[in-house]
Amino acid sequence: NAGVTQTPKFQVLKTGQSMTLQCAQDMNHEYMSWYRQDPGMGLRLIHYSVGAGITDQGEVPNGYNVSRSTTEDFPLRLLSAAPSQTSVYFCASSPTIRGTEAFFGQGTRLTVV
Amino acid sequence: GESVGLHLPTLSVQEGDNSIINCAYSNSASDYFIWYKQESGKGPQFIIDIRSNMDKRQGQRVTVLLNKTVKHLSLQIAATQPGDSAVYFCADPPNQGGKLIFGQGTELSVKP
Repeated sequence: NAGVTQTPKFQVLKTGQSMTLQCAQDMNHEYMSWYRQDPGMGLRLIHYSVGAGITDQGEVPNGYNVSRSTTEDFPLRLLSAAPSQTSVYFCASSPTIRGTEAFFGQGTRLTVV
Repeated sequence: GESVGLHLPTLSVQEGDNSIINCAYSNSASDYFIWYKQESGKGPQFIIDIRSNMDKRQGQRVTVLLNKTVKHLSLQIAATQPGDSAVYFCADPPNQGGKLIFGQGTELSVKP
């Protein structure tokens, strides 16, 4: 039982490049979400999903896309990376649609130059 | 708008003392609150929760107090240890599900 697995752990992108941050959970949780965390700041919700085939926007969705084709996977796509997207990204899953008792991944540190 | 916020961004305590981390909320309809702990370089970890029909809930060395009159909750850590050094977040998950939004967090530093 691995919990929530994020890949990669570190990534450097050039401005304008695209990439996908992977997130997988093996706990059969319906709720999954993506957050970004900038230095000295809290967690800001990017997108979330309450089940396969259902996604919705969080607080800061611009510049990011998500999809939820399976219960296990919730990838986050950056279509055209910008320096403002330099951050640490966390994926989380929860056994309830309220996002309670969420399990977080270890994070992906992304730098856009 | 509705929000969850914390009174202080940083808190420094002596090892062995008790710590109190405060959180204010604005939505009087909130019925559930949770606390997370984030150690340096790691993802947040669920600590404890409390429902609005309770005033107090105790865990292992941690206690949550809820004051609905003033819309305030606090996380108390007894006999604070160096391993308690972390950022602590509170959150009030929406009833209908979806946007789990966190406050800014309070960074707790424990002095030996």
